[in-house]
Amino acid sequence: DAGVTQSPTHLIKTRGQQVTLRCSPKSGHDTVSWYQQALGQGPQFIFQYYEEEERQRGNFPDRFSGHQFPNYSSELNVNALLLGDSALYLCASSRGQVNTGELFFGEGSRLTVL
Amino acid sequence: GNSVTQMEGPVTLSEEAFLTINCTYTATGYPSLFWYVQYPGEGLQLLLKATKADDKGSNKGFEATYRKETTSFHLEKGSVQVSDSAVYFCALSDRGTGGFKTIFGAGTRLFVKA
Repeated sequence: DAGVTQSPTHLIKTRGQQVTLRCSPKSGHDTVSWYQQALGQGPQFIFQYYEEEERQRGNFPDRFSGHQFPNYSSELNVNALLLGDSALYLCASSRGQVNTGELFFGEGSRLTVL
Repeated sequence: GNSVTQMEGPVTLSEEAFLTINCTYTATGYPSLFWYVQYPGEGLQLLLKATKADDKGSNKGFEATYRKETTSFHLEKGSVQVSDSAVYFCALSDRGTGGFKTIFGAGTRLFVKA
């Protein structure tokens, strides 16, 4: 049973560029949440997708956008990259909108912006 | 808004010592509370959870009790091992207008010496 998979694992971009990160949720999960984890910090909630719609959003600018596909996989897009966007981006999946609380995390995509 | 505050690290202990990592929260509703752990080179994983006041979550010798009166969820272990060295994150999950959202504390790094 595959867990949460994310791609790419590492990438380097320059300021002003755009990036797309991808996530496949754990089998049986239909809800995907994205987090940004800066070095030495806790994960910061970006947004959550369920039924192909953004359901919740954290305090991130509109440069951060996402999408969920019918197979529940998801993408995170960041436009006009800034140096401060350098971080580990984590995808977490869960089942439905029931607050069982258990998020299953991927190992993340480490983005470096130069 | 909701928030989680946990003690700063790093915490350095000798093997078999007693561990406490403090966590307090602010929430408008009745959140569920969690501890997640991030071992070196691995993704975040759920350690334990408690969904209502006075519940005790436990796993792998770790325990935490949901204290509504003190808005706390301190993590404890009676005898730590070198293998417990990791970063520990306190988290809460609550229902917003669109669904459930989980937010994390900044993390506490634990080093256990042999």
